[in-house]
Amino acid sequence: DVKVTQSSRYLVKRTGEKVFLECVQDMDHENMFWYRQDPGLGLRLIYFSYDVKMKEKGDIPEGYSVSREKKERFSLILESASTNQTSMYLCASSLTGVNIQYFGAGTRLSVL
Amino acid sequence: AQSVTQLDSQVPVFEEAPVELRCNYSSSVSVYLFWYVQYPNQGLQLLLKYLSGSTLVKGINGFEAEFNKSQTSFHLRKPSVHISDTAEYFCAVSDSTGAGSYQLTFGKGTKLSVIP
Repeated sequence: DVKVTQSSRYLVKRTGEKVFLECVQDMDHENMFWYRQDPGLGLRLIYFSYDVKMKEKGDIPEGYSVSREKKERFSLILESASTNQTSMYLCASSLTGVNIQYFGAGTRLSVL
Repeated sequence: AQSVTQLDSQVPVFEEAPVELRCNYSSSVSVYLFWYVQYPNQGLQLLLKYLSGSTLVKGINGFEAEFNKSQTSFHLRKPSVHISDTAEYFCAVSDSTGAGSYQLTFGKGTKLSVIP
């Protein structure tokens, strides 16, 4: 089975802190994705990566950056966390082509 | 570009009754279609997918969906629901032509509540 692991299930941070969300997949997938999920808004794509060191902006990249130094790991960075970034963050991975995405369990981030 | 509309944000249904969750999509190219399920405080899990071939696809937990190209729909059905089916369900579409095929476009979700 494909496994996508997010390093934290719950995080509480203060406004202005730098926050790292880590995601690791074990199936040698080329593509990795970061979404945020908010009630009534569904899933919105923040960033995705189709190869090591490659990244593309999604629909809502403002206030976020990403890093992909190794194929299996994709990090989401909040340079200076703000209260409007309180949300559920979901990581996913897929093989190019069919694009069946496999999701991690999510990280619920609260910024106070 | 694609878009997905899930027509119902919430669907309450009694246990053992049938259910249909509606999904319509818009795309200028051919597509792959997916349904995902999200149980409380968990990530999304693939329920079923349409890639090609038979328009009726069967998934896990007794769910099935039918691809209707003329109506651009991919409705999800189950003949008899259980309490354990209480979850949020997401319909998603992907470009199947190979160009820009990295991304999935998701609907806003339908919360299914099964009433004992």
